[in-house]
Amino acid sequence: QQQVKQSPQSLIVQKGGISIINCAYENTAFDYFPWYQQFPGKGPALLIAIRPDVSEKKEGRFTISFNKSAKQFSLHIMDSQPGDSATYFCAASGGQLTFGSGTQLTVLP
Amino acid sequence: AGVTQSPTHLIKTRGQQVTLSCSPISGHRSVSWYQQTPGQGLQFLFEYFSETQRNKGNFPGRFSGRQFSNSRSEMNVSTLELGDSALYLCASSLAEDTQYFGPGTRLTVL
Repeated sequence: QQQVKQSPQSLIVQKGGISIINCAYENTAFDYFPWYQQFPGKGPALLIAIRPDVSEKKEGRFTISFNKSAKQFSLHIMDSQPGDSATYFCAASGGQLTFGSGTQLTVLP
Repeated sequence: AGVTQSPTHLIKTRGQQVTLSCSPISGHRSVSWYQQTPGQGLQFLFEYFSETQRNKGNFPGRFSGRQFSNSRSEMNVSTLELGDSALYLCASSLAEDTQYFGPGTRLTVL
């Protein structure tokens, strides 16, 4: 069964801190790994994505780290802000998206 | 304009059927549907490309969909059950992987 395991389930960070969310996958056929951000009452919005031929990708305060041998990838949010408070989903695709269970991030002011 | 979905909210009773609508981003030919619930998270229902179902998730046959020649898509759920209460999300894509989600339709089954 194709699965993507995400942790932690919830995360509380102080403003200015670093938020780290981790995901692990099983299917080595996955070749595209996006992260989505979802605010209450809204659909998920694509945040950043990476392919397995790259070990790291940075866009502004958001960085994906990818470890192909360990089949793990993580999202780092630098200088976390209260406006980053949302639910974050990792996903993996080998044709269709398989989502992690989500992490509810709260950034305290 | 982004992906649009209608209606925003819907309340039905058990046994009824429901049709949800999705308009993809202009130029996008692929439309996927997902069910989001607190317990099961985001689960893939099906994907349509050029009016053909290309992929299907692990949902019963009560869940069906279709895509029109203008890429707009509808999904239908027949014989509604309480467990079908969820946020139904539509996503469209141009490239094979990058999907853009709509705001969803909140379905409540009483």
